[in-house]
Amino acid sequence: SSELTQDPAVSVALGQTVRITCQGDSLRSYYASWYQQKPGQAPVLVIYGKNNRPSGIPDRFSGSSSGNTASLTITGAQAEDEADYYCNSRDSSGKGVFGGGTKLTVL
Amino acid sequence: QVQLVQSGAEVKKPGASVKVSCKASGYTFTSYGISWVRQAPGQGLEWMGWISAYNGNTNYAQKLQGRVTMTTDTSTSTAYMELRSLRSDDTAVYYCARRIVVVVAARGYYYYYMDVWGKGTTVTVSS
Repeated sequence: SSELTQDPAVSVALGQTVRITCQGDSLRSYYASWYQQKPGQAPVLVIYGKNNRPSGIPDRFSGSSSGNTASLTITGAQAEDEADYYCNSRDSSGKGVFGGGTKLTVL
Repeated sequence: QVQLVQSGAEVKKPGASVKVSCKASGYTFTSYGISWVRQAPGQGLEWMGWISAYNGNTNYAQKLQGRVTMTTDTSTSTAYMELRSLRSDDTAVYYCARRIVVVVAARGYYYYYMDVWGKGTTVTVSS
């Protein structure tokens, strides 16, 4: 299956650590990438590959993977991290797939 | 700086076609691919497909096969996405994004990511 499953919503207290997960069979073979999307804006890449951050992404964002699960961790969440987060990967035929998205609330 | 500039909003009637453009600047266009992603109102991101700007190879989402065509014009560094036989559920914001491929030679596969995105083009399908 090429589906990716995410929890619809997650909350975190300001300054605490939160992990957002993405599950799918394809993640056993291919790395995921993670995108942050704020209301009315285009998605922004935050993590790709094993654990790589594009220039400009704070180092409180990190990624990891184990088995069929990819994770995005925010260590010391800030108010500006409140957003929707999407994982994306590929299947064996090269087609892409997104997770359903996780709405992160920072309390 | 790397930039993708998309064409303006469109309103179409059911059954019509729409063609969205995505003009790239700030990098060598033929060195990367372009992915297309859409987002229906209040919904998540949906992967539509990608095109190699190097050789024009494409890979489309199964559900859009036969209705979507992605092309590029290397002379103007512009990618295009045409969607035909529009339906009301095609109403969405359509994004283009630069596609970067990383080959993991030791394992014989590649992964990809989308590092720069256009601002999106709203397509509304309504009678």
